[in-house]
Amino acid sequence: QVQLQESGPGLLKPSETLSLSCTVSGGSIGSYYWSWIRQSPGKGLEWIGYIHYRGGTNYNPSLKSRVSISVDTSKNQFFLKVNSVTTADTAVYYCARIATGSSWSHFDYWGQGSLVTVSA
Amino acid sequence: EIVLTQSPGTLSLSPGERATLSCRASQSVRSNNLAWYQQKPGQAPRLLIYGASRRATGIPDRFSGSGSGTEFILTINRLEPQDFAVYYCEQYESSPFTFGPGTKVDIK
Repeated sequence: QVQLQESGPGLLKPSETLSLSCTVSGGSIGSYYWSWIRQSPGKGLEWIGYIHYRGGTNYNPSLKSRVSISVDTSKNQFFLKVNSVTTADTAVYYCARIATGSSWSHFDYWGQGSLVTVSA
Repeated sequence: EIVLTQSPGTLSLSPGERATLSCRASQSVRSNNLAWYQQKPGQAPRLLIYGASRRATGIPDRFSGSGSGTEFILTINRLEPQDFAVYYCEQYESSPFTFGPGTKVDIK
């Protein structure tokens, strides 16, 4: 059974960089695309972007200028960075697997979520 | 960007009743690349339906998805106590992938 676990700081100040990691267990990070999704009360569920295990990425245009996603296949982990955060970036951040090995597929496994609060 | 609209916003029903949830897309989802997720408080979304009508592994057959183009339906037959939750549709037809605002199914 594939499991995903997010980790990272829960509290940031405006203008800081949000950094989260997602550890995949119970299966290899290879052969799949991996995604970050966030959920805030104001905007609901928002797809942030995905990365292929070989490193190819695709980002939501709404966040593209501030976001980067990377992968470390040796550690079965992938990562999210969001620069210059504001209070609008306060949300629960989920990592998820895109099913089937294609980028055009649903999210079949999700992490439990990591609450990130941005406050001065 | 494909915008998804879900209706109703809240559905108040009793256990044993049938729930019918609607998801409308602003553009055609030609390949039926649409999924439904269930979310309970404090939990991550859980995949129910993908490809508009295919049940995910372990999902009971009282959950069914239908529709095509711009109109999709999630039906929950014989609601059970654990089915009261928020339901989201999501399209992966085109980037950026987008979610609907959700329908809350609560106990009448």
